[in-house]
Amino acid sequence: GQQLNQSPQSMFIQEGEDVSMNCTSSSIFNTWLWYKQDPGEGPVLLIALYKAGELTSNGRLTAQFGITRKDSFLNISASIPSDVGIYFCALTPGGYQKVTFGTGTKLQVIP
Amino acid sequence: DAMVIQNPRYQVTQFGKPVTLSCSQTLNHNVMYWYQQKSSQAPKLLFHYYDKDFNNEADTPDNFQSRRPNTSFCFLDIRSPGLGDAAMYLCATSREGTGANQPQHFGDGTRLSIL
Repeated sequence: GQQLNQSPQSMFIQEGEDVSMNCTSSSIFNTWLWYKQDPGEGPVLLIALYKAGELTSNGRLTAQFGITRKDSFLNISASIPSDVGIYFCALTPGGYQKVTFGTGTKLQVIP
Repeated sequence: DAMVIQNPRYQVTQFGKPVTLSCSQTLNHNVMYWYQQKSSQAPKLLFHYYDKDFNNEADTPDNFQSRRPNTSFCFLDIRSPGLGDAAMYLCATSREGTGANQPQHFGDGTRLSIL
C-alpha cells in the first residue's frame, strides 16, 4: 500500500518559535492536503496544494508541494498556544478518490 | 455554522448491542465518507458513498454497514460492536464532478465507547 511518512511525530516548542513538519510519499500524487485536529474534534483543512512546486500561505501557515510530487512541508511562523494540536498531511490522486493520511505530528506550544 | 454535523458527539453502547451513528451535511456534497480513528492514529477510511453508490474498503469488517437515504444524511451501523470498535468515528463530505479537486470536509466526530 501507499507509504506516507510524516515527521516529526511530536514537537515541543516555545511560544513565538517557528515550526516545520514534512511528509514524504512513496508514490506520486496530484493533491497534498494539510489538516489540523484539535482534541475531541474532527480534522480541519488548513491548506490544499494541487501543483508541483506550489507554495501556499494561510495566515501564519505556509505549505509547499514538492517538485518531485512526493513530498510536502508545512511551516508555522510565530507559534501561539492555540496552534496546539495534531497536524496531518494527506494525499489523494484527485477528486473524491481515497485520501491517505500521514501518521500525524503532535504539536505542543509552551507559553 | 457547522456544515457537517454528527450526532451524537458521544455514544456509549454495550458489547454486542447494535448502534447507529448519524451524519448530516448542509453543503449539498455528493460524496460522503466514514472514517474510524483510534487514539493517536490517523483516520482510516471505512467506506464512502458517491451519490447513491456504496464503496466499501477491502479491509472494512462486515460488522460495519452504512445507509444513505438522501443527499444530506448518512448513517453508520455497527451490528455487533466489540471492544476493538471503540474509537472516534468521523464523517466527511466532498463535491465531485465540478472539474476541480475538492478536499474533504469533516464533522467533529462521534466518540464511541463499548461497555
